[in-house]
Amino acid sequence: DAKTTQPTSMDCAEGRAANLPCNHSTISGNEYVYWYRQIHSQGPQYIIHGLKNNETNEMASLIITEDRKSSTLILPHATLRDTAVYYCIVLKTSYDKVIFGPGTSLSVIP
Amino acid sequence: GAVVSQHPSRVICKSGTSVKIECRSLDFQATTMFWYRQFPKKSLMLMATSNEGSKATYEQGVEKDKFLINHASLTLSTLTVTSAHPEDSSFYICSARDFGGRTEAFFGQGTRLTVV
Repeated sequence: DAKTTQPTSMDCAEGRAANLPCNHSTISGNEYVYWYRQIHSQGPQYIIHGLKNNETNEMASLIITEDRKSSTLILPHATLRDTAVYYCIVLKTSYDKVIFGPGTSLSVIP
Repeated sequence: GAVVSQHPSRVICKSGTSVKIECRSLDFQATTMFWYRQFPKKSLMLMATSNEGSKATYEQGVEKDKFLINHASLTLSTLTVTSAHPEDSSFYICSARDFGGRTEAFFGQGTRLTVV
């Protein structure tokens, strides 16, 4: 599976949009981009995933560049409860093991 | 939505004893489940893949005799930490995928193991 690179940490003001970038320059054509997050002392939570089109659900939006070498997870109106570590993961199929990198620690500040 | 449930959420045990952690998929059948451990301020590390009706597949460096995995049904996998030592104290998390439907993995709430 392709490797991903994320910033170690980010801050975001409460109520503002949080934009979390992810680089996956070696992604292949049949690999999906998944995003999970882990709030402190809890199990990870699925957020969203996509192949090449932008995706939106009740939690977030996922913007994937046309060349698919990077993506951005957008939390439109960050709240304090969005403080967590966010993981960007590339998977070839739904059968792949989910391997976590260090992720981005997002702190939402009042 | 799909739910994966772990039990117990916290356990304290004495050195040398064994501890069993259960992972259940509540509304889907999971032929495969995954076990992770996480040390403080570190990312999740995959320990093993649990396959229903067959032996688990362990990641490199994980002792299979230390961490016994049983996946006897399509909704239950167990991880037993045998002869626990203080260095086994960690946050253990299971995951399951609904291969018959949704593509995302679902995670349990985790089990905090403290060995004293």
